[in-house]
Amino acid sequence: DAGITQSPRHKVTETGTPVTLRCHQTENHRYMYWYRQDPGHGLRLIHYSYGVKDTDKGEVSDGYSVSRSKTEDFLLTLESATSSQTSVYFCAISERTGIGSPLHFGNGTRLTVT
Amino acid sequence: AQSVSQHNHHVILSEAASLELGCNYSYGGTVNLFWYVQYPGQHLQLLLKYFSGDPLVKGIKGFEAEFIKSKFSFNLRKPSVQWSDTAEYFCAVNARDTNAGKSTFGDGTTLTVKP
Repeated sequence: DAGITQSPRHKVTETGTPVTLRCHQTENHRYMYWYRQDPGHGLRLIHYSYGVKDTDKGEVSDGYSVSRSKTEDFLLTLESATSSQTSVYFCAISERTGIGSPLHFGNGTRLTVT
Repeated sequence: AQSVSQHNHHVILSEAASLELGCNYSYGGTVNLFWYVQYPGQHLQLLLKYFSGDPLVKGIKGFEAEFIKSKFSFNLRKPSVQWSDTAEYFCAVNARDTNAGKSTFGDGTTLTVKP
């Protein structure tokens, strides 16, 4: 398995509080992604990064921000958590784009917003 | 933007039955295609991928998929399923002509194999 660590693995937080999820990789891959997984919706891209300090929005970016100050770390912040952000969050990495580079996933963070 | 449609939300089979899961995508350019599997309580893992060449690709654990360009399809098959194949299966596509490698996923198909 690719060296991807997500922390925390589980978190319960209250509505309105900020939350930061961390993804750490040891593969030195350029591309990193945050997805959320919800029943019936598959995985939806929140934000992604194509290099240090280079990030862009995915399809469900409202209420989320990201930062990437080092190649190995990609942080996802929920600025003011809402119950609709209760989900399982997966970080993924990719070595390159173009031909055939798959995603490698972390073990996920289960976030519950009460 | 690309999109992916998986036709079966939940499939129930007995062991040794044959499996085919449908996947269609929508995108006008060249794509890379993937199937991922998620076993209960685990993260997604790559089953197989297609990016060029032989449209019939083989993956791990006896799975294969066929890319039919004219139908924008990439169906997953396995001739004889096992109880251990119980999992959720996701089809995904990314557009080769972008520089970010963003993958779009289908909603997933839950496969239950009865022993």
